[in-house]
Amino acid sequence: NAGVTQTPKFQVLKTGQSMTLQCAQDMNHNSMYWYRQDPGMGLRLIYYSASEGTTDKGEVPNGYNVSRLNKREFSLRLESAAPSQTSVYFCASSEGLARAYRQETQYFGPGTRLLVL
Amino acid sequence: TQLLEQSPQFLSIQEGENLTVYCNSSSVFSSLQWYRQEPGEGPVLLVTVVTGGEVKKLKRLTFQFGDARKDSSLHITAAQPGDTGLYLCAGVVGTSGSRLTFGEGTQLTVNP
Repeated sequence: NAGVTQTPKFQVLKTGQSMTLQCAQDMNHNSMYWYRQDPGMGLRLIYYSASEGTTDKGEVPNGYNVSRLNKREFSLRLESAAPSQTSVYFCASSEGLARAYRQETQYFGPGTRLLVL
Repeated sequence: TQLLEQSPQFLSIQEGENLTVYCNSSSVFSSLQWYRQEPGEGPVLLVTVVTGGEVKKLKRLTFQFGDARKDSSLHITAAQPGDTGLYLCAGVVGTSGSRLTFGEGTQLTVNP
């Protein structure tokens, strides 16, 4: 099992350009998440999908859109990139079982490093 | 937003020393998790604590959840260079999904 995979691993964009970050998991998980990690700020939740067909905003959703394409795939789109979106982006997944939410493990991908000039 | 504050932010120690990392909040969490992250990789779960006052041990690592479920600590005994990494605490928020609020992280360096 590959776990959680992310593409691309690294990307440089110019201000105003758009791009989509791809994420896929092969663990048959219901829930998927997108985080960004900036120095000194830990990880902040951008959007999440509790189950296939649903998406919800997290802590910092402005400037992003998401698509839960199917149970395996969850993409993050930057429509008009800004320098403030320079960050490392992590996708994660978890089983998404309501009865076990307090003890669920989130499995993270290796991250996408994005630089917006 | 429920905030988690970690301290210290940076810690550099010699091999064999003991250390404690703290994770504090004014909010109550359903449970709290500790993750470890190595450079260029995503975080990996170390432990989940659920019950107030709970103590869990993982080899040389001891995790404690505060009685009021607002804070937690990670204690490492006889640190080794392999313990080097970014340690993140994360509180489980909400009542039906495993949404996490992360602390800022503690960057630990253990020198040989």
